[in-house]
Amino acid sequence: AQTVTQSQPEMSVQEAETVTLSCTYDTSENNYYLFWYKQPHSRQMILVIRQEAYKQQNATENRFSVNFQKAAKSFSLKISDSQLGDTAMYFCAFMKQRTGSEKLVFGKGTKLTVNP
Amino acid sequence: DTEVTQTPKHLVMGMTNKKSLKCEQHMGHRAMYWYKQKAKKPPELMFVYSYEKLSINESVPSRFSPECPNSSLLNLHLHALQPEDSALYLCASRRTGEDIQYFGAGTRLSVL
Repeated sequence: AQTVTQSQPEMSVQEAETVTLSCTYDTSENNYYLFWYKQPHSRQMILVIRQEAYKQQNATENRFSVNFQKAAKSFSLKISDSQLGDTAMYFCAFMKQRTGSEKLVFGKGTKLTVNP
Repeated sequence: DTEVTQTPKHLVMGMTNKKSLKCEQHMGHRAMYWYKQKAKKPPELMFVYSYEKLSINESVPSRFSPECPNSSLLNLHLHALQPEDSALYLCASRRTGEDIQYFGAGTRLSVL
C-alpha cells in the first residue's frame, strides 16, 4: 500500500518570502503521479501542481515549483513570493498510473499561514 | 471550465431524516468520486463511479447510498446517519485517460 507523509503540521511565512513544504511517500510502483492540492477555508480542494513520475524535470506553475527526487521518494513544494491568498491547508497526494481505480492517497496536510 | 457543483453547501439533519447530496459536472468526465473529510484531516475516499457504474466502495456503511443516474450527475443518499457522520462531503470528477481530479466546494453536513 502507498503512504504519503507530510512532516510539518503547521508552517508560517512572511508575505513576499519563500517557503518549502515537505512530502515523502512510499511505493513500490514505478509509474505514478504526485500532486499538491490547497484547501482554503476548509472547503474546495484546488490543484496547485502535478508531477508525472517518469518525467525528471521538476514541474513549475508560476510561483509554485516542486523538487521531485524519485530515488529518495521526496516531493517538496516551494512557494515563492508568498501572498496572503496562499494561506490554506496544503495536501500532498499520490496516485498510481491509471489502472481504472485512480485512488488518491493523501498526506495529513500542512497548514500554511502567510503573515502580512 | 473545470467546475464541479455541489448542493447544498450546508445541511443539518436529524438521525431519522433522509436527505440527498448532489454533485454535477458538465465537463464530460466519466469518473466521479465521493470523499468524506473530517475536520483537520485529509479526504477519505468513499465511492468511485466509472461510466455510471460503481467501481469502488471503500467499505462504506449502508446508510450512505450512492447513485449515478447519468454521466453528469452523482448523488449521495443519506439515511439514519449518526452524529459521527458529520463532516465535509466532497465530490470530484476526472476525465477518462487523464489523472487530475477536480473537486467541488463540498457539502458541510451536521447530524444532530
